[in-house]
Amino acid sequence: EIVLTQSPGTLSLSPGERATLSCRASQSVSSSYLAWYQQKPGQAPRLLINAAWTRATDIPARFSGSGSGTEFTLTISSLQSEDFAIYYCQQYYMWPLSFGGGTKVEIK
Amino acid sequence: EVQLVQSGAEVKKPGESLKISCKGSGYSFTSYWIGWVRQMPGKGLEWMGIIYPGDSDTRYSPSFQGQVTISADKSISTAYLQWSSLKASDTAMYYCAIGGSPYNWFDPWGQGTLVTVSS
Repeated sequence: EIVLTQSPGTLSLSPGERATLSCRASQSVSSSYLAWYQQKPGQAPRLLINAAWTRATDIPARFSGSGSGTEFTLTISSLQSEDFAIYYCQQYYMWPLSFGGGTKVEIK
Repeated sequence: EVQLVQSGAEVKKPGESLKISCKGSGYSFTSYWIGWVRQMPGKGLEWMGIIYPGDSDTRYSPSFQGQVTISADKSISTAYLQWSSLKASDTAMYYCAIGGSPYNWFDPWGQGTLVTVSS
């Protein structure tokens, strides 16, 4: 099973700042089979990024994904008020599929 | 619009059985996989399993194999997650979501069903 470790656990930033979230895999996620999701309180997760760097439909350009192998990054270039939420990475390269533990982006 | 609508919140006692549902609309229900995800209170997301309604091919995460049963009724475009004997530790929010294959991202997601198991 591939274990995904997200860091930091919590990121305290101000609106307008850049957020950099990390997702590290216990073994290589080949073909960059990695997705990122956003979850706000009381809501279902929403897909942001698939295939490590492809933005999902209607996702703003301030969200970008990068990385390969065992190291992946989600970057939010300039935080908006609606971006304060929890972010999860998910690998779909190997069964069982797995999620990281999440990074909470909170207002500083 | 592609949409998954889940059944409402449930309150059950330990040992009771339960079946929750996830109804798809706006797409070909038999052509995409549906996955189930657990989120315990204040915790992260956990994959439970997935089903292909076209032929009922079902895969379970090892952590949930034997603990739950995933099924689908393609005649009414609905997938199910069921328990034969609930435990307090089954208290969680359960989400269904659409995927193109077992090795895929999942999008969109249902709104979630809150299951509370308490004596």
